[in-house]
Amino acid sequence: GEDVEQSLFLSVREGDSSVINCTYTDSSSTYLYWYKQEPGAGLQLLTYIFSNMDMKQDQRLTVLLNKKDKHLSLRIADTQTGDSAIYFCAERVGSQGNLIFGKGTKLSVKP
Amino acid sequence: DVKVTQSSRYLVKRTGEKVFLECVQDMDHENMFWYRQDPGLGLRLIYFSYDVKMKEKGDIPEGYSVSREKKERFSLILESASTNQTSMYLCASSLFSAGPPGELFFGEGSRLTVL
Repeated sequence: GEDVEQSLFLSVREGDSSVINCTYTDSSSTYLYWYKQEPGAGLQLLTYIFSNMDMKQDQRLTVLLNKKDKHLSLRIADTQTGDSAIYFCAERVGSQGNLIFGKGTKLSVKP
Repeated sequence: DVKVTQSSRYLVKRTGEKVFLECVQDMDHENMFWYRQDPGLGLRLIYFSYDVKMKEKGDIPEGYSVSREKKERFSLILESASTNQTSMYLCASSLFSAGPPGELFFGEGSRLTVL
């Protein structure tokens, strides 16, 4: 069945780049997403990429998609303490609108 | 501004009680979802709905039911709460269309503790 895997923790220093990795299993994924969850809050969409793209850049965020390896990554340049949160990778399979989420990567940014 | 509102941020209930978690969205979205979030397990889909009075089981529907009498409202019901249902519950909504980006909009979450 569908599965999305990501590491649970990442710790970086302020100003460094953060790279959060994700692998997925369903090759029919149409869209892949990165969501951010700050403490005590719901999830908010950070960015998404269509499955026929291999890169998308949005200010400090760069998403790379390797469709052959079913690998998605999120790079945050110049990471700030405000970037500390849980980041979820998700894939959309089919047309029904349901997303399959990874377990989330908790990013800790040290000053 | 788009909004998904969950009626209760924090609830404490006793084992065996009936629990209602309410979710309202103001975006005229067709799709609505209930997830539970547990540390180390991520988000797991309980139930979802594509239209009024329609519901589909997600990955972990046991012990839960849902109600969608109006398009904007999706309720999660725990008929007889148990301690293993202590969790954060997240409601989400999205447009039915398969077009981009198909994102889900989430509420703030309802943290339920069952004693």
